[in-house]
This record gives sequence, structure tokens and C-alpha cells, in this order.
Amino acid sequence: AQKVTQAQTEISVVEKEDVTLDCVYETRDTTYYLFWYKQPPSGELVFLIRRNSFDEQNEISGRYSWNFQKSTSSFNFTITASQVVDSAVYFCALSEMEDSSYKLIFGSGTRLLVRP
Amino acid sequence: NAGVTQTPKFRILKIGQSMTLQCAQDMNHNYMYWYRQDPGMGLKLIYYSVGAGITDKGEVPNGYNVSRSTTEDFPLRLELAAPSQTSVYFCASSYGQGKGGYTFGSGTRLTVV
Repeated sequence: AQKVTQAQTEISVVEKEDVTLDCVYETRDTTYYLFWYKQPPSGELVFLIRRNSFDEQNEISGRYSWNFQKSTSSFNFTITASQVVDSAVYFCALSEMEDSSYKLIFGSGTRLLVRP
Repeated sequence: NAGVTQTPKFRILKIGQSMTLQCAQDMNHNYMYWYRQDPGMGLKLIYYSVGAGITDKGEVPNGYNVSRSTTEDFPLRLELAAPSQTSVYFCASSYGQGKGGYTFGSGTRLTVV
């Protein structure tokens, strides 16, 4: 069965530190998508990135970068030079293309606190 | 370009009352979903729909009902509200089949007292 595990419940760093949020997934499908969402204190879900299972290239967007490794079923998220505004809960999610519902399966989230 | 609109944003219900959470999207997405997020937890799927007239249960459907009479609307009905249904409810929509991502509404915070 599909599953997404975010083992880090909460991480606290000091501003300007780098921080990596871990995501490990389980799926039997060969075609799937992985996502990261940010949930700031205001509560909405903010889309960060989508990656398909055939594209293992790492991606960088400003201070954000993602490392996708199929060999270890991981899709980790790194924030470089963290800022207080990065404080939020971050969710990793999986969608399987061979599941006709295309539903998103979420991890339990990692709460990131960036202290000034 | 409204995306996914959820109403109301906040609601307090008494035990045993019923209510409908509204969700509407204007992107002509076939796929729509209802999730609940309990405090400090991830999102769990309640119900989903792959098109008008078609709905199916997700991971936590007990105590809820849905309907999908049009492509645009996907209301979630709570019958006989219980304190365990205190949660934040998110509606989402998608083209499905990997075409684009998922669009989420801003959520409805429901408290049952």
C-alpha cells in the first residue's frame, strides 16, 4: 500500500542555518508524482513542487532545493539560509497514476521553527 | 479566476446538529476531494469524486456524505455532528492523470461542542 513517512515531527533552527526535511515514500506503482506543500500559521496549503517518478533531476528554486532518489524512495527538501518566514508545517505527498482516483496521500508533516 | 472556493471558513456546531460544507471550483476539473486535518496531523481523505455523478469513499468516510451533481460543486454533508469531527476540512480539485497539480481551497475550520 502507498505510504508517505516524514519521520521528523518538529525541527528548530536558528535563522540562516540550512535545514533538510526528510520524506520517504512507499508505492508499488512505476508512475507516480511527489509533492511538497507548505502550511504557514495562517493555515492554507501552498504548493511548492511536483516531481514525476521518471525525473530524478534535483531541482533548485531560490533557497529551496529538492533531492529525489528512487533507489532509497526519498524526496528530501532543503532550505538554505533559513528565514523566520520559513516557519511552517511542511507536507510531503504522493499521487499514484495507476490509482484511478489520483488521490494525494500525505505524510504527517514536519513543523519547522526558525528562530531569529 | 477563483480556483477552489470553500464556505464557510469557520463554523461551530452543537453535538447532533447537521451541516453542509460547500466546495466549488471553476477550473473544469474532473477530480475533486475532501480531506480533514486534525490538529498536528496530516491530511486524510474523506471522499472523492472522479466526475459528476461519481463519488467514492476515502480513508475516513464515516459520519459524512457527499454528492456531485455538477462538475463544479462537491458539497460535504455532516449528519449528527460529533466532537470527533472537530477538524479543518480542505476541498481540492485536479485534472487527474498527472495533468497539472492539485488546487486546494482555503479550508473550513469546524468545531463541534
